Amino acid sequence: DADVTQTPRNRITKTGKRIMLECSQTKGHDRMYWYRQDPGLGLQLIYYSFDVKDINKGEISDGYSVSRQAQAKFSLSLESAIPNQTALYFCATSDEGELGTQYFGPGTRLTVL
Amino acid sequence: RKEVEQDPGPFNVPEGATVAFNCTYSNSASQSFFWYRQDCRKEPKLLMSVYSSGNEDGRFTAQLNRASQYISLLIRDSKLSDSATYLCVVTTGGFKTIFGAGTRLFVKA
Repeated sequence: DADVTQTPRNRITKTGKRIMLECSQTKGHDRMYWYRQDPGLGLQLIYYSFDVKDINKGEISDGYSVSRQAQAKFSLSLESAIPNQTALYFCATSDEGELGTQYFGPGTRLTVL
Repeated sequence: RKEVEQDPGPFNVPEGATVAFNCTYSNSASQSFFWYRQDCRKEPKLLMSVYSSGNEDGRFTAQLNRASQYISLLIRDSKLSDSATYLCVVTTGGFKTIFGAGTRLFVKA
């Protein structure tokens, strides 16, 4: 079984809808991240969490919110989806002290019409 | 200027060729450096860390030049399975991990 899983894998929705993307991990890592990837732009950090009680905004947090329900679970919400949030979304984890060694989930492809 | 810059490519090479990618970073205080590999529509995966002394893993060699603020990845004897996008990753003090946009490689038979 995969160490980092994401659901759903694909989602098509309409403008204005609320969407939740979920991430679970079995690696036992405290640190979890949400990224979006757009063609030619690389990965952009949306939110990150260093433990259950710690939530931090990344470089593009506007329009997004997160919830860290447990060490193993980190969900991303789009409160009111808009078309420019169409992207590939990745969840990742890392161990404390190994900032650059991140383990990614398979991604969620989100399309907002 | 982007904090981490890579030539987007694509690099088109025949099997068996040697190919090199460079990546430049703007923050001289950057601490750790990595190369990730990303297959089409898949998640990024760590390929190797990059150390000041350089490091080698089979056909892959990574180098760091702190003075000029760039890292490189050399792939020898390219295989069809090496076709992917290679992401340069840099971490800075405190917390910040920056991913480059990637360099696409196509290895052809």
